[in-house]
Amino acid sequence: GQQVMQIPQYQHVQEGEDFTTYCNSSTTLSNIQWYKQRPGGHPVFLIQLVKSGEVKKQKRLTFQFGEAKKNSSLHITATQTTDVGTYFCGGSNYKLTFGKGTLLTVNP
Amino acid sequence: NAGVTQTPKFQVLKTGQSMTLQCAQDMNHEYMSWYRQDPGMGLRLIHYSVGAGITDQGEVPNGYNVSRSTTEDFPLRLLSAAPSQTSVYFCASRIDRDVYEQYFGPGTRLTVT
Repeated sequence: GQQVMQIPQYQHVQEGEDFTTYCNSSTTLSNIQWYKQRPGGHPVFLIQLVKSGEVKKQKRLTFQFGEAKKNSSLHITATQTTDVGTYFCGGSNYKLTFGKGTLLTVNP
Repeated sequence: NAGVTQTPKFQVLKTGQSMTLQCAQDMNHEYMSWYRQDPGMGLRLIHYSVGAGITDQGEVPNGYNVSRSTTEDFPLRLLSAAPSQTSVYFCASRIDRDVYEQYFGPGTRLTVT
């Protein structure tokens, strides 16, 4: 079945450092979404990528969808304490499968 | 709009008890889902519905029932609670099966002793 792997599982950074999380699928995806979950909160939709090689930016966040549509990345430039949380990818083919997430902690 | 609402926020059950977790959305979304979230396991799909009157099983459906009599409501029933069902449960909705942006409810934290 479709599997979505996400690495790393945890990442601790100093405020101001960059952060990247990667999402890899065992199958080609029709699209991929990214969500953020604050500690104790619920997942909140960030963005959806559909096209091969697509790159989208939201302020300090850059999202990429691989050429083969089997991997994706989320990069945060100059992290802030407000970036703390777990970042999930969700890959869709005929069904939506979530990665286990990357927990980001930021030391002020 | 209230978005997706879930009740209760917290619940403690004894093994063997049954209960219903409520989920409602006021966005006229066709597609609704139930997930459970366990440490280290990510979000796992329990059941989903593509519209009123239509439901289907997800990845981990055993021990749970759902129904969808209206577009707005999608309750999740635990038939006979087990400690393995201790988890955080999230309800989510999206416009339809072809639009993947999901809106999650605040979650229900369930403990089964």
